[in-house]
Amino acid sequence: DAGVIQSPRHEVTEMGQEVTLRCKPISGHNSLFWYRQTMMRGLELLIYFNNNVPIDDSGMPEDRFSAKMPNASFSTLKIQPSEPRDSAVYFCASSLTGASEQYFGPGTRLTVT
Amino acid sequence: DAKTTQPTSMDCAEGRAANLPCNHSTISGNEYVYWYRQIHSQGPQYIIHGLKNNETNEMASLIITEDRKSSTLILPHATLRDTAVYYCIVRAHGGATNKLIFGTGTLLAVQP
Repeated sequence: DAGVIQSPRHEVTEMGQEVTLRCKPISGHNSLFWYRQTMMRGLELLIYFNNNVPIDDSGMPEDRFSAKMPNASFSTLKIQPSEPRDSAVYFCASSLTGASEQYFGPGTRLTVT
Repeated sequence: DAKTTQPTSMDCAEGRAANLPCNHSTISGNEYVYWYRQIHSQGPQYIIHGLKNNETNEMASLIITEDRKSSTLILPHATLRDTAVYYCIVRAHGGATNKLIFGTGTLLAVQP
């Protein structure tokens, strides 16, 4: 099994640009999670999907952030427009069910200058 | 907010057992204790979880006190590759409570 796949692994962009992060969950998993990690705030959940439906988006910082899951094998996290304070490592995780253990991808390191 | 308290850091000699404590005095009856770890520059990795009984798998053992207010993760023979931040998390199962709330964890440094 390839595990959770995220792309790109690194992204450097200028303030104001649109950024799209991608995630392919483990095949057969029906729950998907997006997390953000910074030195100041640690690891925090942004949004959680179950069967492609957003269940909890209370962690999405503001309207500049949006996430979609058009099918069971793909999800995107979009930031538009990006700001320097969005610089962080963004992790995607999936689990067999919402209650089971989560498997994390390698993360996308985003730098907004 | 995280519902657990862990030491900020610990050291362990290579080949010895690493015992990582966690306090969760406000744990509810339906909440499980989960342990994850994060090796530098990698995503968090699931280790083990339990509700009441002690649990063991190929990676570690989890000892939960009878009152469930604290637990200990045991790595029986620590290696240098076990150097990581270890997170103790309590969570219920179901609906919006499926989220993992990470605290600051314990940085375990395994010394040669």
